[in-house]
Amino acid sequence: DTGVSQDPRHKITKRGQNVTFRCDPISEHNRLYWYRQTLGQGPEFLTYFQNEAQLEKSRLLSDRFSAERPKGSFSTLEIQRTEQGDSAMYLCASSSLTYNEQFFGPGTRLTVL
Amino acid sequence: DQQVKQNSPSLSVQEGRISILNCDYTNSMFDYFLWYKKYPAEGPTFLISISSIKDKNEDGRFTVFLNKSAKHLSLHIVPSQPGDSAVYFCAASEITNSGYALNFGKGTSLLVTP
Repeated sequence: DTGVSQDPRHKITKRGQNVTFRCDPISEHNRLYWYRQTLGQGPEFLTYFQNEAQLEKSRLLSDRFSAERPKGSFSTLEIQRTEQGDSAMYLCASSSLTYNEQFFGPGTRLTVL
Repeated sequence: DQQVKQNSPSLSVQEGRISILNCDYTNSMFDYFLWYKKYPAEGPTFLISISSIKDKNEDGRFTVFLNKSAKHLSLHIVPSQPGDSAVYFCAASEITNSGYALNFGKGTSLLVTP
């Protein structure tokens, strides 16, 4: 399967713990996006990478959120000191530089107890 | 502030008939529009897109219409099939420092009944 993959698919954690999610984009895609989706809402943009450069991070929800894409391939999203309000689906998407269509992974469902 | 709005939370259509899903936007700088389909516990699946320089794009049973003056787009599915039952999201983008970050509506849940 050459689509976008995300790991883990589900994560249950206790409040105050740190969590990290991984995204592997489609291999030839230079652009990588992270989104968050809560119940009854559409996905909400968080951050954007072009190759290894994080070109937009002001939409990350707080300074507890950070993301990396160290070699321009896979990306990680970390949430420190999780809160119950962080419970959501975290989605990764990738696209090429030529086309605007973004292809999404299956998401990571985070539950903070 | 919601820049993309899908005002119908749900829609029910009989199999074989046309499904019409609507979307409105407020930002006149948006220049690319997309429709995604989403099943529960899965990521959104890209369906069809349209650039602001066009007013119609067709792909098989799916057609997207764009009315820039009204800031309105619609997705037509003809004929509708039970497998089309899902949540449909309208999304819009413009090129910024965020690349082509997508602005999504809240979705319309389509149910196609046999």
